[in-house]
Amino acid sequence: RKEVEQDPGPFNVPEGATVAFNCTYSNSASQSFFWYRQDCRKEPKLLMSVYSSGNEDGRFTAQLNRASQYISLLIRDSKLSDSATYLCVVNTGFQKLVFGTGTRLLVSP
Amino acid sequence: DAGVIQSPRHEVTEMGQEVTLRCKPISGHDYLFWYRQTMMRGLELLIYFNNNVPIDDSGMPEDRFSAKMPNASFSTLKIQPSEPRDSAVYFCASSSSLQGLNTEAFFGQGTRLTVV
Repeated sequence: RKEVEQDPGPFNVPEGATVAFNCTYSNSASQSFFWYRQDCRKEPKLLMSVYSSGNEDGRFTAQLNRASQYISLLIRDSKLSDSATYLCVVNTGFQKLVFGTGTRLLVSP
Repeated sequence: DAGVIQSPRHEVTEMGQEVTLRCKPISGHDYLFWYRQTMMRGLELLIYFNNNVPIDDSGMPEDRFSAKMPNASFSTLKIQPSEPRDSAVYFCASSSSLQGLNTEAFFGQGTRLTVV
């Protein structure tokens, strides 16, 4: 079983739609959680950290369910510029960052 | 700060040749990571260092791969001998423990390796 699992997609949505991505992780001792964004042929960049209480940054909402070992990312009012691959990332301990394979999002006009 | 700097950006080499990838982390960062990215396997952590010491190299695929960090501002990933299946994008990233558990990893632009 992979340490971090994501649906690879692609998710094809129209502009303005709401879309949600999920991620599961296998190590119950994992300490912190993140979503990164990667544009085509570019390096990954931090989108947001994920806290147990849930957190929001503009149109983006991230949630963590430790009991189910599950992380989610919700994007509201999708923009064309949101088209990218979204990577779920888990700090499994000692700052070891394990990445999921990513979920590809395509937002169309 | 210039960010994480990797070189070369692109490398094409023949099977059997030695390949050396280089990375300069962000100044002051005490963690350095080497990742490999392919379409099939995504981003795989190969090895990471803390204060120049390797912490976990369980992701290194085989003995042909080796990594060093002789000082806080430089790391290398070497493949000897290289094989076509090593073709991938290799990313270096660095982070700072001063940020605690929610530390952000900053990535270099990657080295696109093609072994023919």
